[in-house]
Amino acid sequence: GDSVTQMEGPVTLSEEAFLTINCTYTATGYPSLFWYVQYPGEGLQLLLKATKADDKGSNKGFEATYRKETTSFHLEKGSVQVSDSAVYFCALFSGGYQKVTFGTGTKLQVIP
Amino acid sequence: IAGITQAPTSQILAAGRRMTLRCTQDMRHNAMYWYRQDLGLGLRLIHYSNTAGTTGKGEVPDGYSVSRANTDDFPLTLASAVPSQTSVYFCASSVRSGTTDTQYFGPGTRLTVL
Repeated sequence: GDSVTQMEGPVTLSEEAFLTINCTYTATGYPSLFWYVQYPGEGLQLLLKATKADDKGSNKGFEATYRKETTSFHLEKGSVQVSDSAVYFCALFSGGYQKVTFGTGTKLQVIP
Repeated sequence: IAGITQAPTSQILAAGRRMTLRCTQDMRHNAMYWYRQDLGLGLRLIHYSNTAGTTGKGEVPDGYSVSRANTDDFPLTLASAVPSQTSVYFCASSVRSGTTDTQYFGPGTRLTVL
């Protein structure tokens, strides 16, 4: 079945540091890939997505490239801010029952 | 535009009681979902509905039921709550664009069963 593996957290960074959160997946066919962000006490918000190989999703300074050869969709940001502190979820959609498979989430804490 | 609303925001419930979590969307999305979020386990799908009048089981459906009488509403019912159902519950809806479904989430209901 489909699965998503994210790096273990929590990740603690100083403000303006470079961020990478790793995500790899297993899926049949050619899934669409997503990153969601969950701020404390809130629901998940779509951060970015990519629907085919080599696509780059980007939003709010975050970006991720769909790498079919390595089955990866790593999230990056060049300079994090305290306001980026949240839990980040990688997810995939491979069709069928309109179900999205989520990773377990990576908590990011950015300190001033 | 409200998107997805959930009620209540939080609830403390005695074991054995019946509880319905409400979810309403105003985006006219066909598909809706209920997830539970537990520490270390991420999000797990409870039930889903591809369109009004149809429902399906996710990976953790036991102890839960849903109905989909119309496009906008997708209530989740716990017939007889147990402490293991203590969790944060998220409702979501999705829209199809090309071959991709993108899900949008409500703010969640925090449920504690004692």
